[in-house]
Amino acid sequence: GQQVMQIPQYQHVQEGEDFTTYCNSSTTLSNIQWYKQRPGGHPVFLIQLVKSGEVKKQKRLTFQFGEAKKNSSLHITATQTTDVGTYFCAGKLGFGNEKLTFGTGTRLTIIP
Amino acid sequence: EPEVTQTPSHQVTQMGQEVILRCVPISNHLYFYWYRQILGQKVEFLVSFYNNEISEKSEIFDDQFSVERPDGSNFTLKIRSTKLEDSAMYFCASSGRAYEQYFGPGTRLTVT
Repeated sequence: GQQVMQIPQYQHVQEGEDFTTYCNSSTTLSNIQWYKQRPGGHPVFLIQLVKSGEVKKQKRLTFQFGEAKKNSSLHITATQTTDVGTYFCAGKLGFGNEKLTFGTGTRLTIIP
Repeated sequence: EPEVTQTPSHQVTQMGQEVILRCVPISNHLYFYWYRQILGQKVEFLVSFYNNEISEKSEIFDDQFSVERPDGSNFTLKIRSTKLEDSAMYFCASSGRAYEQYFGPGTRLTVT
């Protein structure tokens, strides 16, 4: 079945440093979504990418969808303590309201 | 801002007992989902529900599981005979036309 892997599994950074998590799917995706889960919380939608090669920015966060629509990345510039949490990519095979296949997640901790 | 609500927040039950987890999706959403997350692991899809029927289910969602929308607001997940390995956080989610999924705060199920 479809698998979505993320690396690294954990990342510890000094506050102010950049952070990147990479997401790879075993199958071509129609779109990919990114979610953030704070410790003890629930996944919160961040963004959806649909087009091959698409790049979207939200303030310090930059999201990219690969040309082959099988990989994606999230880059955070100048991390802050509020960025702490686990970042999950989640892929979809169709364009409707199908299930999300979540990646394995990258847990980000910030050293103040 | 509208949100998905779930009750109870924590449920402890003995192995073999039936449990019902309840969710109130966002009122104008039409698509409903259940996911689960074993502690420290990724979020796993269980089932999706649309137009009063299951639209997709995973291998995890076997005969012990069922979902229901008993009225216009609630969406329930029933586990008929709980096993130790059913211990997890169960998230309900709903989505509208824009396809991003909104997650509830979760119900932590502990099977003893």
